Amino acid sequence: AQSVTQLGSHVSVSEGALVLLRCNYSSSVPPYLFWYVQYPNQGLQLLLKYTSAATLVKGINGFEAEFKKSETSFHLTKPSAHMSDAAEYFCAVFGNQFYFGTGTSLTVIP
Amino acid sequence: DTEVTQTPKHLVMGMTNKKSLKCEQHMGHRAMYWYKQKAKKPPELMFVYSYEKLSINESVPSRFSPECPNSSLLNLHLHALQPEDSALYLCASSQRQESEQYFGPGTRLTVT
Repeated sequence: AQSVTQLGSHVSVSEGALVLLRCNYSSSVPPYLFWYVQYPNQGLQLLLKYTSAATLVKGINGFEAEFKKSETSFHLTKPSAHMSDAAEYFCAVFGNQFYFGTGTSLTVIP
Repeated sequence: DTEVTQTPKHLVMGMTNKKSLKCEQHMGHRAMYWYKQKAKKPPELMFVYSYEKLSINESVPSRFSPECPNSSLLNLHLHALQPEDSALYLCASSQRQESEQYFGPGTRLTVT
């Protein structure tokens, strides 16, 4: 069975600092992995996806994620946080259906 | 165009009311989804339609009734809801079930 675990329900970073949001997956087959962002009172927006074409995936808004099979990880990073990055972030894996992680709330401190 | 639209944006209904939520996409996607999301929680899958047929029903109470009139439209009919059904209801679509899903903005439902 597929699942994802997001370490850290809350992450705070200073504006301009590195953003690192952690996601580990459990999958018996090569997974389809996704990161979504949700701003308050809005739907989920796709940031990026991994579908085995390349291990380093670049997404929108300067985010990227690296697929590491040996670590079963798909962590999301951004070199320099902006105030507008404050939101809820969800990692997801496709098994027989989408499985979402529990989410990480990112706070950006001015 | 990667837009999924949902109407209404907000809905307040009493426990005896009947209402419907509507979702529309024009991306040619063949899979459509209904999710329920409580505050600070991930979306919970309710229903999946694939090629206009219901393929997954995650043990949702019968007071929620989905309908897929055509490949672009998805409805969720609501009847005799409970206050605990108050949540953000999200619609999504994807090209195939393993593809990335595109979400609508959601309908904020309050049951009084």
